[in-house]
Amino acid sequence: GAGVSQTPSNKVTEKGKYVELRCDPISGHTALYWYRQSLGQGPEFLIYFQGTGAADDSGLPNDRFFAVRPEGSVSTLKIQRTERGDSAVYLCASSLRRGGPDTQYFGPGTRLTVL
Amino acid sequence: GESVGLHLPTLSVQEGDNSIINCAYSNSASDYFIWYKQESGKGPQFIIDIRSNMDKRQGQRVTVLLNKTVKHLSLQIAATQPGDSAVYFCAENGGGMGGATNKLIFGTGTLLAVQP
Repeated sequence: GAGVSQTPSNKVTEKGKYVELRCDPISGHTALYWYRQSLGQGPEFLIYFQGTGAADDSGLPNDRFFAVRPEGSVSTLKIQRTERGDSAVYLCASSLRRGGPDTQYFGPGTRLTVL
Repeated sequence: GESVGLHLPTLSVQEGDNSIINCAYSNSASDYFIWYKQESGKGPQFIIDIRSNMDKRQGQRVTVLLNKTVKHLSLQIAATQPGDSAVYFCAENGGGMGGATNKLIFGTGTLLAVQP
């Protein structure tokens, strides 16, 4: 079946601009996660959705970052007033999450470059 | 372009040899651990997982060992192939003990280079 998909695959923007990154999880997965990965580092957790609600947003670095999942499927990560330090690969993952920890399946990521 | 700032630990092995990649985790309350493989330009790919009530789990050509006493995880790859070349990450469940979140905390990663 289809895996997690993310669009766009690459996004180049200018400092101060607003960007939206989209994630389509695996069909039937109720849990959705956003991570950020800088060069040479492991992914860092940003936010976790269970259904439509953000169950844990403790990883969002500041209030310029916001994410939504209005219908419990597709999610959008929104970054306002982008800064050069926001440049990274933004990864989305999904899991069944029927109780207890379970396997998270990752998408290919969106590479964000802020000039 | 050059990967400035890329200072991953590297394990170089010959094709056909066995590989062992090690990882130290941080949270003694973590109850779930995963190994991911990440190839250049791709997202992490699930390899194998293990829960804290086990100390060993085997998959196809891979084995994960968990030592909770010293908070150590290892991934063993049998008969390593060129296609195994990638960065390998261990991750722990930051929620721990069946907590409300399932966020993963990733280690630094190890670059596995398989020489033909």
